[in-house]
Amino acid sequence: AQKITQTQPGMFVQEKEAVTLDCTYDTSDPSYGLFWYKQPSSGEMIFLIYQGSYDQQNATEGRYSLNFQKARKSANLVISASQLGDSAMYFCAMRDSGNTPLVFGKGTRLSVIA
Amino acid sequence: DAGVIQSPRHEVTEMGQEVTLRCKPISGHNSLFWYRQTMMRGLELLIYFNNNVPIDDSGMPEDRFSAKMPNASFSTLKIQPSEPRDSAVYFCASSPEVMNTEAFFGQGTRLTVV
Repeated sequence: AQKITQTQPGMFVQEKEAVTLDCTYDTSDPSYGLFWYKQPSSGEMIFLIYQGSYDQQNATEGRYSLNFQKARKSANLVISASQLGDSAMYFCAMRDSGNTPLVFGKGTRLSVIA
Repeated sequence: DAGVIQSPRHEVTEMGQEVTLRCKPISGHNSLFWYRQTMMRGLELLIYFNNNVPIDDSGMPEDRFSAKMPNASFSTLKIQPSEPRDSAVYFCASSPEVMNTEAFFGQGTRLTVV
């Protein structure tokens, strides 16, 4: 069975600094996808970034990058140059085929300090 | 496309009443998921459909919960009778049948049972 672990319930970061949010996963399927979502206080779920298990390079999307270490089964999200608007809950998720649901971690609450 | 549309956005009901949550997925998406979010349990998958057929309802808490998808553009989640412990945010999400594509979430329905 798939499992996602996010060990940091809360994180603080200074504005303009970089921050890493940890995510480890477990699956027996060699083919899978990893996702990060942001949930601001308004409640919507916003997709940030995707990494496929066979992708050779780490995914990047603007200020977001995914530090994918397959052997360690980790998929950490790196946010560069943090902004006050980055304060939110961040969820790591995975799926192992196109028609299966995303399995989510418990989330990390990030607070950006001015 | 307007995205995944859920209604109502907020629902307050008395214990024992029937509650129906509605979802319109994105056109062309053939997978639909219902999640429940609470502080204690995080994001839990309740049920998901592929091509309108329920695939896995093992996450449905008990017989008071039921879900239907009568056609590709509409799904309902019903709670009868409702209880205070059902208070949560209920999300509907849809995705195409492709592993490297994220699930698109609706805005959620905040349910309060008093």
